[in-house]
Order: sequence, then C-alpha cells, then structure tokens
Amino acid sequence: AQKVTQAQTEISVVEKEDVTLDCVYETRDTTYYLFWYKQPPSGELVFLIRRNSFDEQNEISGRYSWNFQKSTSSFNFTITASQVVDSAVYFCALSKKAAGNKLTFGGGTRVLVKP
Amino acid sequence: NAGVTQTPKFQVLKTGQSMTLQCAQDMNHEYMSWYRQDPGMGLRLIHYSVGAGITDQGEVPNGYNVSRSTTEDFPLRLLSAAPSQTSVYFCASSYRVGPYEAFFGQGTRLTVV
Repeated sequence: AQKVTQAQTEISVVEKEDVTLDCVYETRDTTYYLFWYKQPPSGELVFLIRRNSFDEQNEISGRYSWNFQKSTSSFNFTITASQVVDSAVYFCALSKKAAGNKLTFGGGTRVLVKP
Repeated sequence: NAGVTQTPKFQVLKTGQSMTLQCAQDMNHEYMSWYRQDPGMGLRLIHYSVGAGITDQGEVPNGYNVSRSTTEDFPLRLLSAAPSQTSVYFCASSYRVGPYEAFFGQGTRLTVV
C-alpha cells in the first residue's frame, strides 16, 4: 500500500521568509510519480510539479524549488521569499506509473504568510 | 477550454436523500476519478475510471456509485446520504499515457443534515 506523510499540519511565516514543506512517502513500486498541488483559499487544486522516480534532479521554478531524495523517500518543497499570495494548503501526492487517476495524498500543510 | 466542470458547487441534503454530482471534462482524458476531502485527511479516492464503461473502487467507495457511459462524463451518485458524507468532493481527469498529472474540478461542497 502507498502512503504519503506530511508531518507539518500548519506553518506560519512572515513575508519574505523561506518555508520548507516536508513530504515523506512509502511505496513498493520501483516506478512512481510524485506531485505537489496547491489549494488556495478559493478551494481549487492547482498542479505545481510532477517528478518521476527515475529523475532525482532538483527543480527550481521561480521562487519554488523541490528536493527529491529517493534514499530517504522524501520530496520536499521550498518557497523562497514567501509572499502573502503563497498562503494556501499544499498537498504532496503519489501515484503508480500510468495511474494518474489514482493518487494517494498526504494530509496537507497549511501555509500562512503574514505581511 | 473549460477543463473539468463540476456541478453543483454547493448542495445541502437531508439524511436519506439521493443525488448525483456531475463531472464533465473536455480534454479527451481517458482517466477520471472522484475524491473526497475531509479536514486533516487530504483527499481520498472514492471511485475511478480508466475509460468509458470501466470503473473501479478506490479507498472509500461505500455509499457511492459511479458509471461512465462516455469519455467526457463521470457522475457520482450518493444512494442514501448520511451525515458522514458531508465533505468536499473533487472530480479529476488525466491522460492514460503521460503527462500524468491530474486536473481537478472546482469541487462540490456537500452538507448532509
């Protein structure tokens, strides 16, 4: 069975601080995909990134960066120089290969960025 | 391009009533799924479909029914609503062959009283 754990339920920071969200996963599959989604206060789910199990390169997209470490089964997400608009719930999710409709989600981390 | 459209956005039901949550996508995605979101529990998979005419159960299927007669539509039926089904429901779709990220609808907030 697959499992995703986001140990931090809520993080509060002041604007311009960096914030790192932890994600630890469990799976017996050798090929799998990891995702991060953002859920702003309006409620929709916004796709941020996908990473497959064979690609351990870190990725940076603007103020967002992701650190994938297979050795520790972690896929952490960092927001650099946070802004109020980053306030949202962030979900880490896992799926088997070619099963994008069967996602296993973590419980989510609520990020509150104060001005 | 509408993406994934869910209706209604809000619904209040009485215990024992039945209803159908609608989901339609216009991206020609083979895969579609229904999730429910409860506080602190992330999203949990209810039912999913890999194509028209094919459905299967997810993690929390009890009390829900689905069918998929077309590629575009994947309705979720609550057979006899219970207060435990109070939740936010999300429909999602994705391609069968990469990219594999799921696209989500706006969600339906359901309250059962």
